[in-house]
Amino acid sequence: DIQMTQSPSSLSASVGDRVTITCRASQGISNYLAWFQQKPGKAPKSLIYAASSLQSGVPSKFSGSGSGTDFTLTISSLQPEDFATYYCLQYNGYPLTFGGGTKVEIK
Amino acid sequence: QVQLVQSGAEVKKPGASVKVSCKASGYTFTSYDINWVRQATGQGLEWMGWMNPNNGDTGFAQKFQGRVTMTRDTSINTAYMELSSLSSEDTAVYYCGRLGPIRAAAKSFDPWGQGTLVTVSS
Repeated sequence: DIQMTQSPSSLSASVGDRVTITCRASQGISNYLAWFQQKPGKAPKSLIYAASSLQSGVPSKFSGSGSGTDFTLTISSLQPEDFATYYCLQYNGYPLTFGGGTKVEIK
Repeated sequence: QVQLVQSGAEVKKPGASVKVSCKASGYTFTSYDINWVRQATGQGLEWMGWMNPNNGDTGFAQKFQGRVTMTRDTSINTAYMELSSLSSEDTAVYYCGRLGPIRAAAKSFDPWGQGTLVTVSS
């Protein structure tokens, strides 16, 4: 099975900061990577698919990059509504595997 | 709009089974895989398995093999996940999610159902 290592597990940031979260796959997954945002008590929301494609309706402050084994999610200017937990998911093949999550908190 | 609507919360006793439904609307049900993911309180997301609604093919995470069944009723665009031999460790929110299109090169995992809380308690 492909392991996804997500870092950091948590971070503190201020409104307006640029934030970067990374995921590393244990083997190459091409661009079969998605990013999700989850707020307490809610279902995850898709942000990015195919490593860098923005899901419809998601603001352009979110961007994704990477291919192969190393991927990043960037939030260009953190806003109050962006404080949440973020997960990556590899879907190169079954079984799918999630990263451990990154909790973005207010500094 | 495209959406997945799940059945309501369940309370089960240890050893029992639970069956969660996921009703799809707004798209061609048989063109996208349905995946099931669960999340225990305060924990991360755990993938459980997938089903191709077109032909009923399924695949499961190793830890659920022999204990999970995924089925569908294409006449009502609904997928089901049944988990048996429940223990307190199965207490979690269970989500369905759409992955596809099945034959596309660029797939997305979207949308998700709203989640179904399953509580296992004696």
